[in-house]
Parts: sequence; structure tokens; C-alpha cells
Amino acid sequence: GAVVSQHPSRVICKSGTSVKIECRSLDFQATTMFWYRQFPKQSLMLMATSNEGSKATYEQGVEKDKFLINHASLTLSTLTVTSAHPEDSSFYICSASDGRTEAFFGQGTRLTVV
Amino acid sequence: GQNIDQPTEMTATEGAIVQINCTYQTSGFNGLFWYQQHAGEAPTFLSYNVLDGLEEKGRFSSFLSRSKGYSYLLLKELQMKDSASYLCARRDSGGYNKLIFGAGTRLAVHP
Repeated sequence: GAVVSQHPSRVICKSGTSVKIECRSLDFQATTMFWYRQFPKQSLMLMATSNEGSKATYEQGVEKDKFLINHASLTLSTLTVTSAHPEDSSFYICSASDGRTEAFFGQGTRLTVV
Repeated sequence: GQNIDQPTEMTATEGAIVQINCTYQTSGFNGLFWYQQHAGEAPTFLSYNVLDGLEEKGRFSSFLSRSKGYSYLLLKELQMKDSASYLCARRDSGGYNKLIFGAGTRLAVHP
């Protein structure tokens, strides 16, 4: 399967600061990238869908000004959690698709806001 | 979440067979995925069904009935390492083919 690299795998930040998470498709062009959030013992909740060169589409209830998504190239999308608070602590996972059958997941980022 | 239902937890014995069911909303349906997720890790792809019937892949098989909005994942010859969460995900036929996940089924395999 194709490789999607997500970085960092773990990050701890202070409340009020911003954190950027990168998602890269290493061996294919990702026309679409998806960002998910997962709380402990819960399923993946889709936050937003981004297409290269256009604005992200956010799911209902997700604050677009708090979770900034940029998909500037066919191999890179970033998620920035702005003014992070402890309740933003979660597991964030990206997936990337080139329009074929399946989307491939990154390794996930464990964010802890203290 | 979002009208995808699967059991919360299941237990099974090593070497046995287990079937994990999933029901979903049929409108705008464009494929059904199963993923395996170990605690603290990202999901890994197991299977994909878009047409009715059974897809077999080694110890894992997945079945789909489009008219009933129903799928199951069948795991044979269970091993301890199969203890994980199994996520049923529906792909929308809308613009971006986004995947919507069910809450997941935590499977515990015991000796």
C-alpha cells in the first residue's frame, strides 16, 4: 500500500499555543486528504476534507478558525490547532487519497495540551 | 457515529471464528470498508466491498448486502494478536468520497 507520513507522532504544548501537524503522501499524489480526531475508546470523527489548492470542507461542529487546514501541494496537508486548550488533547489522524479505492492513513499524532 | 452501528465489544477464543456485524445508512452509499486498529495506533486497511457478496482475504472475509445496508467481517482461526478494535466505515458518494466511521468493535481474544 501507499505510504502516508504524519509528523510529529507526539506533541505536548502549553495551553494557548498553536501546534502544526503535517501529513505527507510519500509515493503518490494525494488529491484529497482527510483529518480525523479520536478520543480514547471512541471512533474516528471526521473533522474536515481538504483538496489540493482549495479551501477545506469542515464537518458540522468543527471550528474552522481553530483548526486551520492547508493543502498547498499534492503531497502535503497541514492541520494547525490554534490557541490549544486541554480539551483539544486527542489523537489526530490524517488520511490521503488519490481517488482510487482506499485512503491511506498516517501514523497519527498524540496531542497533549497542558 | 452517523447511523453506522456495530457492537461495542466482543470476546472470542483463540482458534475460533468471530463475526462482527455492521449496519449503515444506505443513502449516498459508495462502498464499505473495514479497518483494524490497535490501541494508540492508526487504523490499518482490512477490506473493501462495494458490490453484494463475500470478499475473502486469508483469515479475514467481508460480506456486503447493499439492499439491507448490512456488512460483516469474519475472522477465522483467531490469534491473540487479533485483539483490537475493528472499525466499519462507509464511503459517501458525494464529492470527496469521505469515509465515515462507526464507533468500532473492541474484540478481545483469550486463550
